[in-house]
Amino acid sequence: DIQMTQSPSSLSASVGDRVTITCRASQNIRTYLYWYHQKPGRAPKLLIYAASTLQSGVPSRFSGSGSGTDFTLTISSLQAEDFGTYYCQQSYGDSFTFGPGTKVDMK
Amino acid sequence: QVQLQESGPGLVKPSQTLSLTCTVSGGSVSSGGYYWSWIRQHPRKGLEWIGYIYYNGNTHYNPSLKSRLTMSVDAAKNQFSLRLSSVTVADTAVYYCARGAEEFDFWGQGTLVTVSS
Repeated sequence: DIQMTQSPSSLSASVGDRVTITCRASQNIRTYLYWYHQKPGRAPKLLIYAASTLQSGVPSRFSGSGSGTDFTLTISSLQAEDFGTYYCQQSYGDSFTFGPGTKVDMK
Repeated sequence: QVQLQESGPGLVKPSQTLSLTCTVSGGSVSSGGYYWSWIRQHPRKGLEWIGYIYYNGNTHYNPSLKSRLTMSVDAAKNQFSLRLSSVTVADTAVYYCARGAEEFDFWGQGTLVTVSS
């Protein structure tokens, strides 16, 4: 299986902050990388697909970059509704895998 | 807007079979180009992809679950289903159905399935 890691595992931030989350794959996954946001008790929501393409309806303050093994999700100006857990996911391998998540909470 | 809703027993005994159904509204499971997936989330833990099915019955399962897993589609009811046999406490999780094969753009609200005697 392709293993996904994320850093940091958690962070505290304030509204208006720029937030960056990184995701690393254990092998080259080209751009088969997706980002999700999950709030407690809710299903994950797709933010970014193909590493850098914004899903329809997702605010432009979210952006993704990277290819190969290293990827980044950036929130340019954190809003109150952005708190929660962010997951990356790959679909390159035979078994699709998610990262362990990055929890973003209020400072 | 596509909507998905999981249904099935919330409690399953060890060694028995877990069965869940996902009902799709606002779209058709037999629409070409869309795959239908199951994903689970263990309590207070991360997400695990289970597998997907196409309307024609083609499937792709997580190799770690493949020997216990069966998915099916019922186009007439606009539903797709999951059966996981020989469950253990390790199968306790919130089970989500979702649209997509590689990325998942619409999700159900999730249903908690507890494996316990």
